[in-house]
Amino acid sequence: DTEVTQTPKHLVMGMTNKKSLKCEQHMGHRAMYWYKQKAKKPPELMFVYSYEKLSINESVPSRFSPECPNSSLLNLHLHALQPEDSALYLCASSGRVTDSNQPQHFGDGTRLSIL
Amino acid sequence: ILNVEQSPQSLHVQEGDSTNFTCSFPSSNFYALHWYRWETAKSPEALFVMTLNGDEKKKGRISATLNTKEGYSYLYIKGSQPEDSATYLCAPGGATNKLIFGTGTLLAVQP
Repeated sequence: DTEVTQTPKHLVMGMTNKKSLKCEQHMGHRAMYWYKQKAKKPPELMFVYSYEKLSINESVPSRFSPECPNSSLLNLHLHALQPEDSALYLCASSGRVTDSNQPQHFGDGTRLSIL
Repeated sequence: ILNVEQSPQSLHVQEGDSTNFTCSFPSSNFYALHWYRWETAKSPEALFVMTLNGDEKKKGRISATLNTKEGYSYLYIKGSQPEDSATYLCAPGGATNKLIFGTGTLLAVQP
């Protein structure tokens, strides 16, 4: 069982909808990450949070809005998405962003489909 | 932008075969090299994080080596089993643990 929990597992939404993806970890990690993975491509980093503050935004469109309400939770708010945003969204956590020798722990992902 | 290459793209082996894959990455500003195993419908699982040139790590039948001066790492699987079937991803990690994943090697082990 993964130690990083993502909900929902699947999400279908229209282009005008507003929805949120949720990620939770209870390992005491202070770094949390969002990745996007398209079919047959590797995961691509979207956002990094360090101690609940946004540390890295990889030039992600504003229709994706991350939020870290506390050290255990990471949300990704979605609004006015495009069909090309359909993908698997992975959340991960690690001890601290400065610990480059520590692995990241991944959730199972949310499979998002935009109609 | 880091260019991370993995080869081969895919590999089909018979149960009991030993196999290896390659990960190539830029050797400048090296911090760490991560290996992950990603089975279908599951989350990526960390195998190794390697930081030192010449490092060799082992986990059961899986081992990995690292050459930071020439920018490559090898992953070896000894006596492949069907449960080893997965995509194997490597990713150099930067100072902020930002991972740039390679395209992966898809391994299929036939019983």
